[in-house]
Amino acid sequence: NAGVMQNPRHLVRRRGQEARLRCSPMKGHSHVYWYRQLPEEGLKFMVYLQKENIIDESGMPKERFSAEFPKEGPSILRIQQVVRGDSAAYFCASSPPNQGANTEAFFGQGTRLTVV
Amino acid sequence: DAKTTQPTSMDCAEGRAANLPCNHSTISGNEYVYWYRQIHSQGPQYIIHGLKNNETNEMASLIITEDRKSSTLILPHATLRDTAVYYCIVSPLQAAGNKLTFGGGTRVLVKP
Repeated sequence: NAGVMQNPRHLVRRRGQEARLRCSPMKGHSHVYWYRQLPEEGLKFMVYLQKENIIDESGMPKERFSAEFPKEGPSILRIQQVVRGDSAAYFCASSPPNQGANTEAFFGQGTRLTVV
Repeated sequence: DAKTTQPTSMDCAEGRAANLPCNHSTISGNEYVYWYRQIHSQGPQYIIHGLKNNETNEMASLIITEDRKSSTLILPHATLRDTAVYYCIVSPLQAAGNKLTFGGGTRVLVKP
């Protein structure tokens, strides 16, 4: 059972370009979470999705950021018109459907976005 | 969500037990205590979680005080590969899936 797969591992974008980060959850997992880690800081929750639904996007910046988790294929975090402040590590996590108790989240290795 | 307080950093000798404290004095009755760690440049890794009973798995032990206001993560025989930032997190049961609120964590350095 492969773990949570994120690609690319490293992404360089010029200011104003779009960045697309992909996340394939573990097999059987229907919940996906995106977190951002700025340099020398802790992880901050961005968005929680289930298949075709955004459940909680309270941590998403109001502009330029969007996320989706389509019925088929990976979850995508899209950042439009990137700025230098978007440079960070973006981590995806997945978990199975809740079955009456909290379950652990499994994290991918992250995508390191550098905006130049 | 309840907040947690952890020491900023601690050193540990290789082969010895590492005891990582966490204070969560405002924890609610339905909140679990989770521990994750993040080895440099990698994604966070789940270690263990518990509600009120002590828990043990192949990685660590979790000791939760009777009043649930604090807990201790124990790495029984620390190795150099245990050098990481350790996060203590409290998470409400069934709240928004596994939305985790990471604090600053404890930076653990295991020394030879």
